[in-house]
Amino acid sequence: KQEVTQIPAALSVPEGENLVLNCSFTDSAIYNLQWFRQDPGKGLTSLLLIQSSQREQTSGRLNASLDKSSGRSTLYIAASQPGDSATYLCAVEWDGNKLVFGAGTILRVKS
Amino acid sequence: NAGVTQTPKFRVLKTGQSMTLLCAQDMNHEYMYWYRQDPGMGLRLIHYSVGEGTTAKGEVPDGYNVSRLKKQNFLLGLESAAPSQTSVYFCASSLPPRIGETQYFGPGTRLLVL
Repeated sequence: KQEVTQIPAALSVPEGENLVLNCSFTDSAIYNLQWFRQDPGKGLTSLLLIQSSQREQTSGRLNASLDKSSGRSTLYIAASQPGDSATYLCAVEWDGNKLVFGAGTILRVKS
Repeated sequence: NAGVTQTPKFRVLKTGQSMTLLCAQDMNHEYMYWYRQDPGMGLRLIHYSVGEGTTAKGEVPDGYNVSRLKKQNFLLGLESAAPSQTSVYFCASSLPPRIGETQYFGPGTRLLVL
């Protein structure tokens, strides 16, 4: 079964710290891997999408890497800010039209 | 553009009642999806549609029906609501999937079944 696992489930850090969120997945034959941000009571916002042929993507203070052979992706957040507090979801697309989500990491950045 | 909108935002039902959740998108997307999100779990796909007049089952379709009569709308129906259907429901839409294409999500509908 194709599954996505995220570790840790929750993370609390002081403002300014660099941090890493982890995502692991079964079956390396992926189309895309995406990182989403979800604010309380809100929908999902796509942060970064890594295609199967890519190793990483960057957007501002965010960097996502992909290692298909080991079934892992990491989301690196540099110089964290209180506004980064949210739930971060990793989603993998194996089939051409279905996303499989991890349970998410709840991030709290303390000021 | 409004993107993906969902109606209603919140609803309370009694066990056995029925209701329909409406999803609308103004991006002319072919594909539309319904997910549910439960505490401690990721989003799970309920049903999806690859075009007007078509629907298909996702991972957790039991207890739900869907219809796609118009390209811009995707309806999710609960014929006889159960407490296990208490959840947050998200709709999404996308262009035909290909490498690099993303889904766009609505704000969600919170459903409480008593």
